[in-house]
Amino acid sequence: AQSVSQHNHHVILSEAASLELGCNYSYGGTVNLFWYVQYPGQHLQLLLKYFSGDPLVKGIKGFEAEFIKSKFSFNLRKPSVQWSDTAEYFCAVNPDSNYQLIWGAGTKLIIKP
Amino acid sequence: SQTIHQWPATLVQPVGSPLSLECTVEGTSNPNLYWYRQAAGRGLQLLFYSVGIGQISSEVPQNLSASRPQDRQFILSSKKLLLSDSGFYLCAWDAGQRNEQYFGPGTRLTVT
Repeated sequence: AQSVSQHNHHVILSEAASLELGCNYSYGGTVNLFWYVQYPGQHLQLLLKYFSGDPLVKGIKGFEAEFIKSKFSFNLRKPSVQWSDTAEYFCAVNPDSNYQLIWGAGTKLIIKP
Repeated sequence: SQTIHQWPATLVQPVGSPLSLECTVEGTSNPNLYWYRQAAGRGLQLLFYSVGIGQISSEVPQNLSASRPQDRQFILSSKKLLLSDSGFYLCAWDAGQRNEQYFGPGTRLTVT
C-alpha cells in the first residue's frame, strides 16, 4: 500500500536554528509532492509543492524542499527558524495525479523564543 | 478569489443522534470536493470525495455518508452517531489540477 512517512512526530528547536523535516513515500511512479502547514488555530495551508522540473522548490516564509527521486524523499528545510514557525507540518503525496492525497502523520514543530 | 466555508465550527452531539456538516465553496465552479478526518498524530484520513454533483466516492466504510446536492456544496451526514465518530472534520477542494487542495477551517465534533 502507498504510504508517507514523516520521521519525527515532535521537533523542538531554538530560534535561528536550522530545520529539516523528513518525508519519505512508498510509490515507484510519478508523484506530485506537497508540504502543508497548520498554524495554531488556523486552516491547513499549502507551504510548497513539487510537480516537475527543478527538484529544489521554494515556498512561502523561507521554506524549501528537495525532491530526491532515488531516495523517495521530499524533505522540508529552513535555514533559520523563527518563533512564528511553530506549527504542525504535513507531507502529502499524490500518486499519478489520481484523486487521492496520501498524507504523512504530521510533525509538530515548537520553536522556543 | 476562492473561499471555502464549513459549519458549524464545533458540535457536541449525543450518541445515536444524526449529523449534518456542511461545506460550501465560493469563487470556482465544478471543484473536486473532499471530506477528511484529522486525528492527532495520524495525519488526514480521506473519507469521501466528489468530482461532480451526485458523484460520491467513499474511501473508508463507516457510519458516515456524503452528498453533493449542488456544484459547490458538500454535506457529511450520519443517521446515528457513534462515540468513535468524534474528531476534527475538514472539507477541501481543488480545481482538478494536480490535486493542490485548499482546506476549510474544520468542524470539531464531540460525540458524548
